[in-house]
Amino acid sequence: GAVVSQHPSRVICKSGTSVKIECRSLDFQATTMFWYRQFPKQSLMLMATSNEGSKATYEQGVEKDKFLINHASLTLSTLTVTSAHPEDSSFYICSARLGQGSDTQYFGPGTRLTVL
Amino acid sequence: DAKTTQPPSMDCAEGRAANLPCNHSTISGNEYVYWYRQIHSQGPQYIIHGLKNNETNEMASLIITEDRKSSTLILPHATLRDTAVYYCIVRVFQYSSASKIIFGSGTRLSIRP
Repeated sequence: GAVVSQHPSRVICKSGTSVKIECRSLDFQATTMFWYRQFPKQSLMLMATSNEGSKATYEQGVEKDKFLINHASLTLSTLTVTSAHPEDSSFYICSARLGQGSDTQYFGPGTRLTVL
Repeated sequence: DAKTTQPPSMDCAEGRAANLPCNHSTISGNEYVYWYRQIHSQGPQYIIHGLKNNETNEMASLIITEDRKSSTLILPHATLRDTAVYYCIVRVFQYSSASKIIFGSGTRLSIRP
């Protein structure tokens, strides 16, 4: 149980295009999901908290207009990197909280974004 | 959330117990100790968590000192597949809403054959 998937696992795009990454909780409902970014040889950096049915909460320094987050259902959150540039190339990871009574978060396998 | 301190790297022989330390001297009474690990190019994997009692599951054991200022994650019989970065995190347990996980730099554990 407690499986989180991400799609796609890898994506390569041209500079200036937008890329959408999906995060799904496969066997549980997640009212809250989190998005992280990880650059090579660095730790995970929290980007935003995604709440079902409401606006996401972004961490300081993360541009909300560039990283659009939508959490339209209890099993799906999407992150759209708009007008991507090479500096947006990174490993994007989502996590989902198991639910009330459990504050353990489970992570997806990550999406490797390369912007040319 | 309280800050944690971990050694940047450790190594351990295959088949032996791997003991990963973590200092969290400013931990508050309502903060739990969580451990995650990240194998190269994968998402983090939950290992174990605890408040003050020692905990054990199928993956590992967590030993928390009586003053709760430090803890040790024990992998009883390390295998090559345990090579990963291990993160010790302290955070408040939230029942009805999700609290953030802030990752530090972790410990890079290498298992040698």
